[in-house]
Amino acid sequence: SQQGEEDPQALSIQEGENATMNCSYKTSINNLQWYRQNSGRGLVHLILIRSNEREKHSGRLRVTLDTSKKSSSLLITASRAADTASYFCATSGSARQLTFGSGTQLTVLP
Amino acid sequence: DAGVIQSPRHEVTEMGQEVTLRCKPISGHNSLFWYRQTMMRGLELLIYFNNNVPIDDSGMPEDRFSAKMPNASFSTLKIQPSEPRDSAVYFCASSRSGVQETQYFGPGTRLLVL
Repeated sequence: SQQGEEDPQALSIQEGENATMNCSYKTSINNLQWYRQNSGRGLVHLILIRSNEREKHSGRLRVTLDTSKKSSSLLITASRAADTASYFCATSGSARQLTFGSGTQLTVLP
Repeated sequence: DAGVIQSPRHEVTEMGQEVTLRCKPISGHNSLFWYRQTMMRGLELLIYFNNNVPIDDSGMPEDRFSAKMPNASFSTLKIQPSEPRDSAVYFCASSRSGVQETQYFGPGTRLLVL
């Protein structure tokens, strides 16, 4: 079963706009990771946020984590056409595996 | 660094045939993961090795699937006999140590069983 669930399932925006994707999970976690997958390719790690962190930045990416609500958000600022991809959150906790959500398909229109 | 290497990239086979997928993890990484991705079920962990030892194979669908890691630089996932429902993209990933750390994915093997 999938621990993380992304919302929305699909998002379409214009280049230059910000994109926000959300992830909700069910059980306690040690950390939460976000990955990107371009069509026909493997997943690429974007950012990892630990359970004792609330916010993290990496370039145009900003991730927040609210452990009380069991949710995380990924914000991509000033989006580009090259950001078009599927974005997955993945959680790790007591279970001995990294559990991936079903993903958000982001389309950035030029 | 070459990244995680998988072969073949594409495989088309007939039902009943044996399929072997291969993976070379990133040098120095102690953990290796095999995943399967389908539209219906998303990304599923099949099996996870740490220091060449299988740690969690609870995701392996059934006895037709087997995985080995004879050394730190090579792993195989075998399906025998293959069935059409095994059609999927199979990813191998590696990490420095364990499931909690960043995983680096290979490009995947796209398998079609006719």
